[in-house]
Order: sequence, then structure tokens, then C-alpha cells
Amino acid sequence: SAVISQKPSRDICQRGTSLTIQCQVDSQVTMMFWYRQQPGQSLTLIATANQGSEATYESGFVIDKFPISRPNLTFSTLTVSNMSPEDSSIYLCSVKDQRYQETQYFGPGTRLLVL
Amino acid sequence: SQQGEEDPQALSIQEGENATMNCSYKTSINNLQWYRQNSGRGLVHLILIRSNEREKHSGRLRVTLDTSKKSSSLLITASRAADTASYFCATDLIDNAGNMLTFGGGTRLMVKP
Repeated sequence: SAVISQKPSRDICQRGTSLTIQCQVDSQVTMMFWYRQQPGQSLTLIATANQGSEATYESGFVIDKFPISRPNLTFSTLTVSNMSPEDSSIYLCSVKDQRYQETQYFGPGTRLLVL
Repeated sequence: SQQGEEDPQALSIQEGENATMNCSYKTSINNLQWYRQNSGRGLVHLILIRSNEREKHSGRLRVTLDTSKKSSSLLITASRAADTASYFCATDLIDNAGNMLTFGGGTRLMVKP
């Protein structure tokens, strides 16, 4: 299985500021995904980040608000820009690779509170 | 929008009892995966069941899949207090160029000691 770490694990931020979340995987993976989980809700996909191409955003999410980088096959960042209290959520990184067949693994999440 | 619906939304049982959670989905799938989440932390992968499989076991977990009814169930036998968590089903859709999973709403399970 893939071992995924995220930084920070949690943060409290002021509205109007930005936070960059890092996702590190212990091995090279082809597909990485960023999900958001609002309080008491299920997971919603923000975007897919594959190395060597621009991130693909889901409906309701835009690059200006959630810029993503994928500089190599083991690392990705998600920035939450110009934050508002509505951005308070858990943000989860996830990976998929043919070595794991169809299984998709998740990081521990970053819990964000925006005041 | 979410692909799957899970029921019940919440379940409370005594330690030692069995817990059954159900997941229904709307369109054809490649596979269905079950995850556990403890108190707002990351998701732990439990079981993957492919569309051509009907049942899988892993320890105290038993998953069934009925593609004709577009439904799956997760059974936890002889539950323990440590099983208290939220459980999510997620579908890998056939018509899924993006390869991502689509999640159900989750079932919050509480196992009382």
C-alpha cells in the first residue's frame, strides 16, 4: 500500500489569507487527487493532479481558488486561496497507481479552520 | 453530486453485535471500495470488490455486491468499541475518464462497550 503524509495536519487561519497543503507519497504514483470534506459531510473531489499536465478541476472548483502543483511523481500541493469561513474543511490527498491495482489510498488529511 | 446513498446514516449497537451498512449507487461500476474514517481523520481502505465479484471477506468484514440491484453491504461481525467510526462506500464508475472515486454519504457507527 501507499504511505501518504500531509502537512500541516491542522491549521487555524484568518479570512483573506492563503494556505498551502503538502502531500508526500513514499513511492512514485501516476494519479493524485485532492478531496474536500466539509464538516459532517462526505468527500467531494476538488481536482485530479497528474504529473506533467495541468490539474483537472471538478465542477464548482476553480484554479484561482485552489491552485495545485504536481512537480514530480511523489509530491503535490494544494493552496486554498483568499480563505473564508466556508473553506473550513478537511482536505485529503489521495493516490492511485497501477501497482495497487484499483485501490485508492488516502492521506491523514489537513483540518482547516478559517476564522 | 454523490453517486451513492448509504443507510443507515447512523447506527448504534452494543459490543459483540453485528453491524450492517448498505450502499446503493446509480450507474455501472468497475469496482466499489469501502473505507473507515475515525473522528475526522484520514480514510483507511477496508475492502475493494470488483463488479464481477459477489462477496469478499477480510477478517471480521464481509462485503457483498449485487450489480443487478446496484447495491453493496458491509457487515462487521462481533463488533468492538474500536470499530466506532464513519464508514463510506466509494464507486469507481465505468464511464470514468478521470479514474477518481465517487463517495456515498457515509454511515456513522457507534459501538457501545
